[in-house]
Amino acid sequence: QSALTQPPSASGSPGQSVTISCTGTSSDVGGYNYVSWYQQHPGKAPKLMIYEVTKRPSGVPDRFSGSKSGNTASLTVSGLQAEDEADYYCNSFAGNNIVVFGGGTKLTVL
Amino acid sequence: QVHLQQSGPGLLKPSQILSLTCAISGDSVSSNTATWNWIRQSPSRGLEWLGRTYYRSKWYNDYALFVRSRITVNPDTSKNQFSLQLNSVTPEDTAVYYCARSHISTSLWGFDDWAQGTLVTVSS
Repeated sequence: QSALTQPPSASGSPGQSVTISCTGTSSDVGGYNYVSWYQQHPGKAPKLMIYEVTKRPSGVPDRFSGSKSGNTASLTVSGLQAEDEADYYCNSFAGNNIVVFGGGTKLTVL
Repeated sequence: QVHLQQSGPGLLKPSQILSLTCAISGDSVSSNTATWNWIRQSPSRGLEWLGRTYYRSKWYNDYALFVRSRITVNPDTSKNQFSLQLNSVTPEDTAVYYCARSHISTSLWGFDDWAQGTLVTVSS
């Protein structure tokens, strides 16, 4: 069982927006602004999409955005495109120099 | 551009030692602005951060609680690489193992560069 809780699946049609949640506790997500999001296509390594809750690394489209409220972080993908179909994972700093991950969400573009 | 290249055996028997190496190009294992991490992924347990090594005037290590008694992550400055050693493996340790970098520019708790991954299977 993963430390952070994500819905197993999410879906949307091309052009729509979809939001994926990542729920932790006050000891991880709620306690620090160190939530990251990753995109993983089959057979590939994860790719960093969001760090420090809301920031995008260079090269990540601005269709991807992050937010946080209390113990829940969210990733929103706007203007869905076929290539956005992938697994998405969150992680968070959890104090004492450790990191925890979510169980992952499979995003399907209908 | 940072590139990480993993190497190591993919099949182990229970109780053996898992050893993987991650060679770094485009950065230095001794960098003061990066950390060097091991992460694994399995269908049953998802992504799990295992541990890291980093240099800040001296070498430091941090390890996940659930493997702390079995894990060692070491830097090798002469070869600009770092390694993972996991002792007394069981079938539960079967997973794809990744090495990954975190950098101060994208938060030291987000992993911005990953290697290709190594499937390690533990089976008698």
